[in-house]
Amino acid sequence: SQQGEEDPQALSIQEGENATMNCSYKTSINNLQWYRQNSGRGLVHLILIRSNEREKHSGRLRVTLDTSKKSSSLLITASRAADTASYFCATFLLIQGAQKLVFGQGTRLTINP
Amino acid sequence: EAQVTQNPRYLITVTGKKLTVTCSQNMNHEYMSWYRQDPGLGLRQIYYSMNVEVTDKGDVPEGYKVSRKEKRNFPLILESPSPNQTSLYFCASSFDPRGVNEKLFFGSGTQLSVL
Repeated sequence: SQQGEEDPQALSIQEGENATMNCSYKTSINNLQWYRQNSGRGLVHLILIRSNEREKHSGRLRVTLDTSKKSSSLLITASRAADTASYFCATFLLIQGAQKLVFGQGTRLTINP
Repeated sequence: EAQVTQNPRYLITVTGKKLTVTCSQNMNHEYMSWYRQDPGLGLRQIYYSMNVEVTDKGDVPEGYKVSRKEKRNFPLILESPSPNQTSLYFCASSFDPRGVNEKLFFGSGTQLSVL
């Protein structure tokens, strides 16, 4: 079963607006990662936030992590048409003695010009 | 350029005809993995490998085989493909996914259609 669940499943905004996507997870984590996927292409790593971090920035991206609520959010500021993509959160789970990276279902973001 | 290379990009085949999707990385990564992506189901792990000659099942291994004879290559083998294996496949690698600073590098994907 998927560890992370993104919300919303789809988001459509105007260029220049901010986009916020949320991810909830069920078990304790060491870190949480966010990836972007352009249509039909491979996933690209965006940012990793550790369990002892509360916020992290990378360019126009801001990620927060609330371990008490088991949730994370990805904020994209001043959105651009090129930000149109699907965004996935991912966490490592210890399953039967092995670490596995488990992805959520993703949020499909559309930036309208 | 650091990359994960998958081939082919598109593949159409018929039920029962054995096929191999190749994956190669040039980053000297220990860890490699295969995922399939289906609408509504997200990415699901098929097999992974922590090192040469070490492979383990992921969440959906049935109908697939892998091998890791060399560090850089991790081919995915479908011995007898069936239509339910029609999917978008991704290979990924990482130096060590058990570390807190590691991320996955993904290939561009292979769109497989089994008729």
